[in-house]
Amino acid sequence: DTEVTQTPKHLVMGMTNKKSLKCEQHMGHRAMYWYKQKAKKPPELMFVYSYEKLSINESVPSRFSPECPNSSLLNLHLHALQPEDSALYLCASSTGPNAYNEQFFGPGTRLTVL
Amino acid sequence: GQQLNQSPQSMFIQEGEDVSMNCTSSSIFNTWLWYKQDPGEGPVLLIALYKAGELTSNGRLTAQFGITRKDSFLNISASIPSDVGIYFCAGQLNSGNTPLVFGKGTRLSVIA
Repeated sequence: DTEVTQTPKHLVMGMTNKKSLKCEQHMGHRAMYWYKQKAKKPPELMFVYSYEKLSINESVPSRFSPECPNSSLLNLHLHALQPEDSALYLCASSTGPNAYNEQFFGPGTRLTVL
Repeated sequence: GQQLNQSPQSMFIQEGEDVSMNCTSSSIFNTWLWYKQDPGEGPVLLIALYKAGELTSNGRLTAQFGITRKDSFLNISASIPSDVGIYFCAGQLNSGNTPLVFGKGTRLSVIA
């Protein structure tokens, strides 16, 4: 298995809702990432998990809460989002968090906040 | 923060033509990656480069890691309609736990 999967593919939520995005990989990778991507822009890093511990938080608002239940799974819990949070949310994984490790991306979750 | 200057921003080419795009930086990178992204999908890794001067091919794609470690280019030969998409370069600054730095992308359109 050489892919990163993400669910759901699309998500529409209100500003008072609580939802979660899920990411899974079975490549034995020990680093996993959440990115946010706005239209016609490159991905922006949000969080990095290394060996199931949060190693980088790029000053992301607390309404985004990541979780890494085990080495294969990565969740992003969403609560009280704003319309400007609408974007494509991408998960990625790599063998390790250091250089010389290619990052492989999932297909993304298209999030719309109403 | 660190930036990668990717050019051109967009290209319109005829099917069968060759394409070249590049990324430059004022910083030295240890790793260069080239991704292609189709609309509504995640980026797909095309080529990874790890050594200065390294030249790597993947089918019709060829990429090189600049000898100064501050630049990289991607060439696509004999373009076809499915080459349409956004191409991103990404670099990693050093061997530590540093995140990827992305270029702003090159949007490629192929006219059949």
